[in-house]
Amino acid sequence: EAQVTQNPRYLITVTGKKLTVTCSQNMNHEYMSWYRQDPGLGLRQIYYSMNVEVTDKGDVPEGYKVSRKEKRNFPLILESPSPNQTSLYFCASSSRVPLSGETQYFGPGTRLLVL
Amino acid sequence: SQKIEQNSEALNIQEGKTATLTCNYTNYSPAYLQWYRQDPGRGPVFLLLIRENEKEKRKERLKVTFDTTLKQSLFHITASQPADSATYLCALPRRLITGTASKLTFGTGTRLQVTL
Repeated sequence: EAQVTQNPRYLITVTGKKLTVTCSQNMNHEYMSWYRQDPGLGLRQIYYSMNVEVTDKGDVPEGYKVSRKEKRNFPLILESPSPNQTSLYFCASSSRVPLSGETQYFGPGTRLLVL
Repeated sequence: SQKIEQNSEALNIQEGKTATLTCNYTNYSPAYLQWYRQDPGRGPVFLLLIRENEKEKRKERLKVTFDTTLKQSLFHITASQPADSATYLCALPRRLITGTASKLTFGTGTRLQVTL
């Protein structure tokens, strides 16, 4: 089954404790991205990757890091989480960059609470 | 700056009626517009795409229009059912200054509630 998986689905942590949220897709997609979703603000892009070893900042990259060492995986790293990073996070992928209307496939989401 | 607006207030309609949701945008000239459905606590799911040279697109009970002059898209669900209750998001691409890539920007979504 074609899908995007994220782990963990739920995470409670404390300020400053490094964490990684994993994202994996099995559709051989080139383009992957991370979004955070907050009430009233909608989905905002954090980082995106056009292919292996090619990543770039989205609209709200501060406090986050990503890597793309393999085509299928795109982990999101919070080196020193802060309470303002409490949010619902989604990983998404598409066959290519969303220039021609490619469908974005979203993961199930990771709900993060930073105390 | 580029902006997408969707009605933040929930839309409540009766089963069987047609639901109409609006997506307005400013300072954009998008090549296409997409609509997604999102259920609570779950990731958005793609529904329909309409391109700038298309006025209307249909898929089963769904219909999307795209008016590039008004900078507006309308999303219709005919014969609404309680199972259609969800939040509906519109999304538009932004071409970066370098012209080499594009980001997809989402509206905040409109929650639809269909009652019996």
